Amino acid sequence: KAGVTQTPRYLIKTRGQQVTLSCSPISGHRSVSWYQQTPGQGLQFLFEYFSETQRNKGNFPGRFSGRQFSNSRSEMNVSTLELGDSALYLCASSPGGQAFFGQGTRLTVV
Amino acid sequence: LAKTTQPISMDSYEGQEVNITCSHNNIATNDYITWYQQFPSQGPRFIIQGYKTKVTNEVASLFIPADRKSSTLSLPRVSLSDTAVYYCLVGRPGSSNTGKLIFGQGTTLQVKP
Repeated sequence: KAGVTQTPRYLIKTRGQQVTLSCSPISGHRSVSWYQQTPGQGLQFLFEYFSETQRNKGNFPGRFSGRQFSNSRSEMNVSTLELGDSALYLCASSPGGQAFFGQGTRLTVV
Repeated sequence: LAKTTQPISMDSYEGQEVNITCSHNNIATNDYITWYQQFPSQGPRFIIQGYKTKVTNEVASLFIPADRKSSTLSLPRVSLSDTAVYYCLVGRPGSSNTGKLIFGQGTTLQVKP
């Protein structure tokens, strides 16, 4: 069974731009969650989608948004990028018990 | 969601058994305890999950006392490749909060030769 796939693996953007990250969950998993990991704040929950609906949301500004498609693939978007958005963005899919994480997308904002 | 407390860091030597304890005083009746391992620049990887007493799989054991206010992850005979950050989480599998994992600071385990 293929694991969670995140694309791209690395990304460099300029402050003020927007970015879209993609996540393909494990087949059959309906829950997809997104996390931001930085050295200072650790692993922080962004939001979770379940059956195309946002089910849980973390404490991030509205510049961070996401969506989930009917095939459970998910995208997250960050608008008006700030230097502090530089981080490893992780996606996880779950069948309802343990979570399976992807390798992450390393975003650098310059 | 119950808060967890773990040691920030631990050192060990190859071949030793390592025990990492996690406190979760406010664990709810239906909560399970789950441990994840993370290597630098990779996503966390599930290690083990349990509800009470003892759970063992091919890589670790999880000990949970009767009051469930703490748990201990046991890694037998660690190697250099076990150097990683270990996270303890509590939550109810299958609930609407399953996809909302709250990570603490984790325990950085350094295995020395």
